[in-house]
Amino acid sequence: DIQMTQSPSSLSASLGDRVTIACRASQSSSTLLNWYQQKPGKAPKVLIYGASNLHSGVPSRFTGAGSGTDFTLTISSLQPEDFATYYCQHSFARTFGQGTKVEIK
Amino acid sequence: EVQLVESGGGLIQPGGSLRLSCVASGFTFSSYEMNWVRQAPGKGLEWVSYISDSGSTVYYADSVKGRFTISRDNAKHSLYLQMNTLRAEDTAVYYCAREDHPRYSFYDFWGLGTLVTVSS
Repeated sequence: DIQMTQSPSSLSASLGDRVTIACRASQSSSTLLNWYQQKPGKAPKVLIYGASNLHSGVPSRFTGAGSGTDFTLTISSLQPEDFATYYCQHSFARTFGQGTKVEIK
Repeated sequence: EVQLVESGGGLIQPGGSLRLSCVASGFTFSSYEMNWVRQAPGKGLEWVSYISDSGSTVYYADSVKGRFTISRDNAKHSLYLQMNTLRAEDTAVYYCAREDHPRYSFYDFWGLGTLVTVSS
C-alpha cells in the first residue's frame, strides 16, 4: 500500500506569510498527487491536481510542485480565508495524507 | 448545478448494518466514477471505496474490505454504501465524492456528508 506522509502536522503563520506544506509518498508516484483544502464543518475542496495543475477557480497564490516521492503545496501570501486543513492524496491509490492544519499566529 | 446529497446515517450498535445513499443531480451521473470518503470526529480524511461509471469495477480500503459494499443505480442517479458488521472505528462523517479526470482522479464535487455513529 502507498502511504502519504505530510509535514508539518500543523503550523502557525501570519497574514501575508509564505507557507509551504510537504507531502511524501512511500513509493515513487510520478505526478499522481492532488491537494485539498478543508474548513471546519465543510467538505474538502480540490486545489491542485496532477501535482502542479491549479483547479478551476482556485486563486493563483496556491502552487503545487514535485514528482516522484516528494511534493509541496505553497501559499505565496496567506489570506484570512486560507486558514484551514490541507490534505494531499495519491491519485491512483486514493490514499490521503494525515493533514496539515494552518492556524493564525 | 452539481449536487450530491447523502442520507442514511444515524446511530447504530456495533455489529449492525446501515445503508448510505447519495443522490446526484446537475450532471450526467452515469458518466462519472464515484467514491465514498469518511472522516472520523477530529481526524483526517480516509478514502473508503470507489466504483466505476458502469459499476463493473469497485475498490475498497483494507479497513472495510469484506464488510462494506459499494453500488450504484444510474437510472436513479444514486450511489450506495452497504455497511455490515459495523465497528466503533467506523464512526465518521461519510462523504460521497465525484471523481474527475482520467489520469489524476481528483474529487471535484463532494456532498455535505452523513454522520454514522457506531455505539452501544
